[in-house]
Parts: sequence; C-alpha cells; structure tokens
Amino acid sequence: DAGVIQSPRHEVTEMGQEVTLRCKPISGHNSLFWYRQTMMRGLELLIYFNNNVPIDDSGMPEDRFSAKMPNASFSTLKIQPSEPRDSAVYFCASSTGDGGNQPQHFGDGTRLSIL
Amino acid sequence: EDQVTQSPEALRLQEGESSSLNCSYTVSGLRGLFWYRQDPGKGPEFLFTLYSAGEEKEKERLKATLTKKESFLHITAPKPEDSATYLCAVQAPNTGNQFYFGTGTSLTVIP
Repeated sequence: DAGVIQSPRHEVTEMGQEVTLRCKPISGHNSLFWYRQTMMRGLELLIYFNNNVPIDDSGMPEDRFSAKMPNASFSTLKIQPSEPRDSAVYFCASSTGDGGNQPQHFGDGTRLSIL
Repeated sequence: EDQVTQSPEALRLQEGESSSLNCSYTVSGLRGLFWYRQDPGKGPEFLFTLYSAGEEKEKERLKATLTKKESFLHITAPKPEDSATYLCAVQAPNTGNQFYFGTGTSLTVIP
C-alpha cells in the first residue's frame, strides 16, 4: 500500500515568495495532520482536518500560513509571504481515527529552506 | 506545560548492550501512547500503541511498556541498524485526534 506522499521533497526559495506544500494521505484515512519539525522545538502540530474539515488550526503560527483540503485525497499548506524563520521540515500525516487513539502515519516530509 | 518528556536526549550503546528509553507524561485520562522511530531524512515510522497501564508490546528487539506516569522502550541486544531517533507521543482526552510529541531520544549503536 502506498503511504502518505508529500511533494516536493526539498524546496529552496527566497524570502517573500509563496510556497505551497502538497500531501496525499493514505487512501481511506479520514484525518490529516500538518506538522513542522525543527531542532529547537521538535514536532509541532500546525493544523488537522477530519473528513476534509479543519478542526484545529491553533498551531498555525501566523496568518501567512494557510491550509486547505479540497477532497479526501489531497491537502496543501501554503506560506505567503515566506520568511527565513519558516525554514524547517514539514510533515503530513494521516490516520483512520474519528475519535482518536489510532496511530498517525507520516510522509517523508518537505525540507523547506527560505533564503 | 510539557505534556511529554523523553530521556535521555541521546544514548550511545555498544552492539549487544541492552538499555531502556523513557517517556514521561503528565496528561490524565490517557487515550493512547505511541512510539515512533525516525531515521535521518525520513518521517516518523509507527512502532507501537499502548492504551492502558500494564500493557506491553514487542517487535523484534524492542519492547514497550506503560505505567500510569511513563512508558519505557526496552532495546534488547541492539544492532547498528537500530540507530535512530525514537519519539513518543500521547493523546489526551478532549483533544480530538491531537498528539503531543516528546523531543525524542537519539540512539546510536556502535558496532
């Protein structure tokens, strides 16, 4: 079975540019999560969706960040405008849980560098 | 406040030298505790879920245990390929599907 697929794997861009990260969750999973990982702060939850609806976006750092899930098989995380402090690895994960206590399965991430 | 604390931050073992990693948590009414392995340049890979105190799960050289305040990941006779960062996460009640991750233990097994 295909796992969670993220693209691109690496992104290098200049500050001020728009960045779009993409995620295809595991088929049949109805929850999707976006995380950011840095050495300083570890894994931080940014936002999660259940049945394509955003449930909690309290981890989104600023209005420059936005996320959408137009259908069950695709989600995007957008940063506009990007800043150097946004440099991190961004992970997408999916799970089958509605009420929870199911494991989340992660993609291999997008390594983002903002110059 | 921190919900999950992992120790040690880093651990170096000789091949065959057994040890344990710790994950302490402060949430009450734990819904689940999850262990993951993360290799460099990869996403976290799911290992185990534990739901209640006294529960144990095993996979090859790894064994996870759970009490009301902490979980241990025991590594028996580790091999160099066990080198990775091990993360634990907890799921608390009334938080939907949210996981709270610890900062991980970086394990290096020396041949």
